[in-house]
Amino acid sequence: IAGITQAPTSQILAAGRRMTLRCTQDMRHNAMYWYRQDLGLGLRLIHYSNTAGTTGKGEVPDGYSVSRANTDDFPLTLASAVPSQTSVYFCASSEGDSGEQFFGPGTRLTVL
Amino acid sequence: GQNIDQPTEMTATEGAIVQINCTYQTSGFNGLFWYQQHAGEAPTFLSYNVLDGLEEKGRFSSFLSRSKGYSYLLLKELQMKDSASYLCAVRDDDYKLSFGAGTTVTVRA
Repeated sequence: IAGITQAPTSQILAAGRRMTLRCTQDMRHNAMYWYRQDLGLGLRLIHYSNTAGTTGKGEVPDGYSVSRANTDDFPLTLASAVPSQTSVYFCASSEGDSGEQFFGPGTRLTVL
Repeated sequence: GQNIDQPTEMTATEGAIVQINCTYQTSGFNGLFWYQQHAGEAPTFLSYNVLDGLEEKGRFSSFLSRSKGYSYLLLKELQMKDSASYLCAVRDDDYKLSFGAGTTVTVRA
């Protein structure tokens, strides 16, 4: 049982480049989330999806986009990366929007 | 908006008890979660409170007072493996989680 997988594990990216972080879950959870975690700031919600075909903006959505074509996948795209997007990104999922959230292993992204 | 406060760091001795406090001021409330996160790893769920009172789960307990906007996580019989960050998170009326910055607990022998 994999749970939630994320790829890549880590990435160094030049500013201005486009990057897609992948997230896949095999728990058939309806809700999925993207967070970024920065030292001293905790986890902040970027975008979320309550069910396949729908997405919503979180606390810090600027510079990021998401799509939810099916239940399992929830990719996060940085259209033109900037150094302030250097962070650790976590994908999470939950059964409905009222259950506990399960987190993927994270992607460490460095934008130079 | 959401405002969730917890201490930055705590240190305790193996076998002791540590209490991590969390205070919150949020625009809505639909439950409070505690997560554990070891360095370099993903957060993992520890506990959930939606009603006032104490929830006990083995060595870990969590308390909630909604009227005071206050929760604590109690870790008993501390073990070295309990060295980690502990994240307090409040779920709002839209079922979205807002996290505190986390409390790093160091357990010393």
